[in-house]
Amino acid sequence: DVKVTQSSRYLVKRTGEKVFLECVQDMDHENMFWYRQDPGLGLRLIYFSYDVKMKEKGDIPEGYSVSREKKERFSLILESASTNQTSMYLCASSNMNTEAFFGQGTRLTVV
Amino acid sequence: DQQVKQNSPSLSVQEGRISILNCDYTNSMFDYFLWYKKYPAEGPTFLISISSIKDKNEDGRFTVFLNKSAKHLSLHIVPSQPGDSAVYFCAASGSGGGADGLTFGKGTHLIIQP
Repeated sequence: DVKVTQSSRYLVKRTGEKVFLECVQDMDHENMFWYRQDPGLGLRLIYFSYDVKMKEKGDIPEGYSVSREKKERFSLILESASTNQTSMYLCASSNMNTEAFFGQGTRLTVV
Repeated sequence: DQQVKQNSPSLSVQEGRISILNCDYTNSMFDYFLWYKKYPAEGPTFLISISSIKDKNEDGRFTVFLNKSAKHLSLHIVPSQPGDSAVYFCAASGSGGGADGLTFGKGTHLIIQP
């Protein structure tokens, strides 16, 4: 069974903290993505990567960075968490011309 | 500007009837379209897709129709079942084969009533 695994289901962090969200896929996919989902806004692309050490900005990259040191792992970093980053974060992976598979999501609350 | 639009935030359908979810897009470079289903506190799961070279794709109870000239696609679920109650997202990708990510609509909350 194919899997995208996010390290945490729920996280509570304080404003100003540095936050790491980890994602691992076991499908040997080339492409990996980070989205956030907010009520009434759908899923919005934060960053994506099509190869190890490669990263590209999505639609809403401000306040985030990413790291892809290994093919199977894609990390999202909130450099200094703010309350407007409270959201559901979703990691996904895919190969060329195939559907994306999503992890179970991380519900992050910044207080 | 929203490139993928789902204009119905919610839809209520009786069990056993047909559910029709609609999606419009504005970017003519999109050539691959997908539908995802999402339950609360879970990640989206892939349902069905269609390439721009087709106008219909069917998988069991799910059928997706694509009208390129109208930039419109729809998902038909028949018959609708209680487990179909979820949020459905329409998504699209361009000629990069999805490597640059999917563009999602805001979702339609489908409620199947007994």
